[in-house]
Amino acid sequence: DQQVKQNSPSLSVQEGRISILNCDYTNSMFDYFLWYKKYPAEGPTFLISISSIKDKNEDGRFTVFLNKSAKHLSLHIVPSQPGDSAVYFCAASPIQGAQKLVFGQGTRLTINP
Amino acid sequence: GAVVSQHPSRVICKSGTSVKIECRSLDFQATTMFWYRQFPKQSLMLMATSNEGSKATYEQGVEKDKFLINHASLTLSTLTVTSAHPEDSSFYICSARASGTGGSPLHFGNGTRLTVT
Repeated sequence: DQQVKQNSPSLSVQEGRISILNCDYTNSMFDYFLWYKKYPAEGPTFLISISSIKDKNEDGRFTVFLNKSAKHLSLHIVPSQPGDSAVYFCAASPIQGAQKLVFGQGTRLTINP
Repeated sequence: GAVVSQHPSRVICKSGTSVKIECRSLDFQATTMFWYRQFPKQSLMLMATSNEGSKATYEQGVEKDKFLINHASLTLSTLTVTSAHPEDSSFYICSARASGTGGSPLHFGNGTRLTVT
């Protein structure tokens, strides 16, 4: 049972445009959500997070939106840069700082010059 | 920022042999570390939670006798894949969070690519 789903395995965006990565979850107990970025043969790197008390969190070019009623979150990157090309994983946990994270399958983002 | 070092980054071994993977927190202490596994084009799956000074907690379906975990110090956890088989070939990643920082995100090592021939 995939509790965290990223239905788009890949996404191509032109440099300078907005990249929107989507993530859906099924477990209503999830309360804290994170996005990680992963390059090939490397471990994931934390990007941005959001707790359920918020619906938006922004950090530079990265903004995460949370729609709890729809059990949906998205990551917006604007403007997209070639260095953003990587696999992006969303992850969820019942509470912030919880030991277990449940990951989605990942979305491979390619930024085209 | 917090750094997690994993070694080796890549290992090839023959069927039936054992392989040890090390995970170190370089600039912080971690009472708990986590071992994940990733198959190609799939999600990161938590295998086990490594607890310093006590037994590891394994996720359902993970054989504890096959994947031996030792967390002997606050900065080192090891995962030993015993009697490796080709189906154990995968990307193994460890992660940790500094002790006492319950709200901070997990930091991941760079992973180990295991190939069993």
